Amino acid sequence: QVQLQESGPGLVRPSQTLSLTCSVSGYSISRGTYYWTWVRRHPGKGLEWLGFIFYSGSSYYNPSLKSRLTISVDTSENQFSLRLTSVTAADTAVYYCARVVTTWSYAMDVWGQGTTVTVS
Amino acid sequence: QSVLTQPPSASGTPGQRVTISCSGSSSNIGSNTVNWYQQLPGTAPKLLIYDNALRPSGVPDRFSGSKSGTSASLAISGLQSEDEADYYCAAWDDSLNGPVVFGGGTRLTVL
Repeated sequence: QVQLQESGPGLVRPSQTLSLTCSVSGYSISRGTYYWTWVRRHPGKGLEWLGFIFYSGSSYYNPSLKSRLTISVDTSENQFSLRLTSVTAADTAVYYCARVVTTWSYAMDVWGQGTTVTVS
Repeated sequence: QSVLTQPPSASGTPGQRVTISCSGSSSNIGSNTVNWYQQLPGTAPKLLIYDNALRPSGVPDRFSGSKSGTSASLAISGLQSEDEADYYCAAWDDSLNGPVVFGGGTRLTVL
C-alpha cells in the first residue's frame, strides 16, 4: 500500500525559506508512471495546487508561485521536496503531498496526512 | 478568487439527493475532464471522482459526477451524516492559470 508522509518545520520566519519533504513508501518513484505533487490549504480557505514533478525531474508549477517555488525529487531516498522562498504570512497553510495519476486526468489518488506550516 | 466556481455551501437532510456545481471555461472544463475531492474535517482530501464520472475503488456509488460544456456537477444520493465535508472540483487548465486549477470548495452540511 502506497503511503506518503510530509515532514518539515512547523514554524518559519517571514522572508525565510520553507522546506518540506514528502517520503513515499510502498512504491518506488523511479518506476515512473506517476507524477508527485504539492497542494496547500490556507486557514478557512480552499485547496491550492502548487506544482508537480516526475521522477526525471520534469516539473510544472502554479504560475502565481513559480518565481518562489522549487520542487525536486530524490529517487535514491524515494522522496520529493518543496522549497518556497521569501515566505510571508500568506504562506501559512496545511501542506499536502500527493500522487498524481496522469491517465486519470491528473487526479491525485493518494495523499499524505498534511503538515501545518505557520509563518510568523 | 478561484478559476473554477463552486457554491460556498450546500445542505440536505439524510436520504436526500444533493448536487454541487462547478463552473469553468473553455480552457479548463470545456476542454478537459473534471475530478472531485472530498475533504472531511481535519483530514486530507480524498479522490471521489475522476475523468468526470468515474469512481476509484472503494467510493460508494451514491457519489456520481457529470459534465456538460463548461460546467460539471457532483451528485450525492442517499445523503448520510458522514458526507458532511468540503467538496472540491479540479481540472487541467490550458491557459496561463494552469496547469491544475481547483474550485473554491463547497461546504456540505447534513441537517
